[in-house]
Amino acid sequence: NAGVTQTPKFQVLKTGQSMTLQCAQDMNHEYMSWYRQDPGMGLRLIHYSVGAGITDQGEVPNGYNVSRSTTEDFPLRLLSAAPSQTSVYFCASSPFFGEGIGGYTFGSGTRLTVV
Amino acid sequence: DAKTTQPNSMESNEEEPVHLPCNHSTISGTDYIHWYRQLPSQGPEYVIHGLTSNVNNRMASLAIAEDRKSSTLILHRATLRDAAVYYCILRRWGTGANNLFFGTGTRLTVIP
Repeated sequence: NAGVTQTPKFQVLKTGQSMTLQCAQDMNHEYMSWYRQDPGMGLRLIHYSVGAGITDQGEVPNGYNVSRSTTEDFPLRLLSAAPSQTSVYFCASSPFFGEGIGGYTFGSGTRLTVV
Repeated sequence: DAKTTQPNSMESNEEEPVHLPCNHSTISGTDYIHWYRQLPSQGPEYVIHGLTSNVNNRMASLAIAEDRKSSTLILHRATLRDAAVYYCILRRWGTGANNLFFGTGTRLTVIP
């Protein structure tokens, strides 16, 4: 089992460029989410999805878009990168709540620098 | 969402037990208590969770106060690999999205 796979691991963007951070899970989890983590801080929720075709905003959604066309994939798009989006990004997945409350599985992260 | 309060940092000697406290005085009846840890340069890792009763697994034990306003994560024998930031999080069971909201956690240093 690969778990949650994030690509790329590292990325440098220029201000104004766009890119997509990829996240895929092979555990058939309904729930997926994106977090960002700035130095010395905890994780903050960007967007989440409770199933294919359903997404919603988290705590810090501005500047990011998401879509969920399949159960497996949950890409995060930066339409016009800004230096304030320099951060480490984590994707996570879990079974839907009603099937038993368990833990989230996190990816290993994407370290993004916007110059 | 109910908040949790943890000490910023703790130290432990290697091979000794570690008790990591968490206060959650505004916890509701449907909030589960989750613990995650984040090793350096890695994503968070699930450790344990519980509702009312104490819980044990291969990684740790979770002791929950009778009034549920506090809990303690217990690492029975700390190793150098346990050095990490430990997060105590409340996750509400029920309908709708049940997101995890992270605080700043407790940074555990294990001394050889």
